[in-house]
Amino acid sequence: NAGVTQTPKFRVLKTGQSMTLLCAQDMNHEYMYWYRQDPGMGLRLIHYSVGEGTTAKGEVPDGYNVSRLKKQNFLLGLESAAPSQTSVYFCASTEGGNTDTQYFGPGTRLTVL
Amino acid sequence: GNSVTQMEGPVTLSEEAFLTINCTYTATGYPSLFWYVQYPGEGLQLLLKATKADDKGSNKGFEATYRKETTSFHLEKGSVQVSDSAVYFCALSDSNTNAGKSTFGDGTTLTVKP
Repeated sequence: NAGVTQTPKFRVLKTGQSMTLLCAQDMNHEYMYWYRQDPGMGLRLIHYSVGEGTTAKGEVPDGYNVSRLKKQNFLLGLESAAPSQTSVYFCASTEGGNTDTQYFGPGTRLTVL
Repeated sequence: GNSVTQMEGPVTLSEEAFLTINCTYTATGYPSLFWYVQYPGEGLQLLLKATKADDKGSNKGFEATYRKETTSFHLEKGSVQVSDSAVYFCALSDSNTNAGKSTFGDGTTLTVKP
């Protein structure tokens, strides 16, 4: 049982390049989330999904797109990377409901030059 | 909207000292409250939680009580260890939606010195 895994762990992009971050969970969780973590700013929700085939915008969705084609996977895309998107990205999942714990992946550290 | 305010850090303590990290929140409805811990280079993991008023969450010697009257969920530990050095996040889960979305505080960095 690996929990929540993220690929890649590190990445350096040039401005304007695109990339996709992959999140996978093996806990059969319904809900999945993408956050970014910046120094002194806690975690901010980018996009989330309440089930396979569904996605919704979070607090800071601009510049990102997501897809949830399979229940276990949640992809985060950057179509044209900008230096402001330099951050650590965390994926999380939860079984469902507001009392449930979120389970986090180990993070992806992205630098955009 | 919902918000979580945590005591600003960093906090530096000597081993065996008493720890308090303050957390207050603003939310409509009846949120669940959480403390997560993040060790260097890792993702967040649940430390403890409370789902209704007056509940006490506890784990690994840490405790926090859900106080609706003061909208607080302060984290305490009687005797910290060097291994407790980490970043601690207070969070609430939105009871007004069925999406399990959470709002996080900015985090408090704790360093425990031997």
